Amino acid sequence: AQTVTQSQPEMSVQEAETVTLSCTYDTSENNYYLFWYKQPPSRQMILVIRQEAYKQQNATENRFSVNFQKAAKSFSLKISDSQLGDTAMYFCAFMNPVVNNAGNMLTFGGGTRLMVKP
Amino acid sequence: KAGVTQTPRYLIKTRGQQVTLSCSPISGHRSVSWYQQTPGQGLQFLFEYFSETQRNKGNFPGRFSGRQFSNSRSEMNVSTLELGDSALYLCASSITTGFSPLHFGNGTRLTVT
Repeated sequence: AQTVTQSQPEMSVQEAETVTLSCTYDTSENNYYLFWYKQPPSRQMILVIRQEAYKQQNATENRFSVNFQKAAKSFSLKISDSQLGDTAMYFCAFMNPVVNNAGNMLTFGGGTRLMVKP
Repeated sequence: KAGVTQTPRYLIKTRGQQVTLSCSPISGHRSVSWYQQTPGQGLQFLFEYFSETQRNKGNFPGRFSGRQFSNSRSEMNVSTLELGDSALYLCASSITTGFSPLHFGNGTRLTVT
């Protein structure tokens, strides 16, 4: 079974600075997808960024980028120029649609609570 | 385009009762997934429906069930409620499978007393 570990339960960063959230996962599969989701106090999970395992190039979305290290099974999220609106829970997630009957089952990490301070 | 709509937003039930939660996906989305979120267990996959068929099921007891209608709307049902079923239940929809992003609703907060 796949597992996802987020080793930082809580983090804080000053506004405008850069922060990196860690995520490691365990799988014996070669093809899979990785995601970072954000959950603000409104409770709605919002997709931040996604990465296909067969792509070596790290995904970027504006101020958000990932450092994907396939051999190390590591998938960290870097937030640049942090903004107050980035305050939220961040979840790393893994999906293997081939193993899971071509479905959309996500395995989530425990989450990291990020506080952006003014 | 309207997002994923979950109703109700809050629900209080008594142990032993049953409850039905509803999820309306984004128009055109055929996959609907359900997740349970608790402080202790985190986010756990319940089940997924695609074109009215259950495609995947998580490790939950048979008291948890669901279905999907021809218009892709989905319901989940929990029978014989236990205190441990208190949680935020999240629904997510997707156009198809795999790398298509999941769009989540705001969830239903269920409290069992």
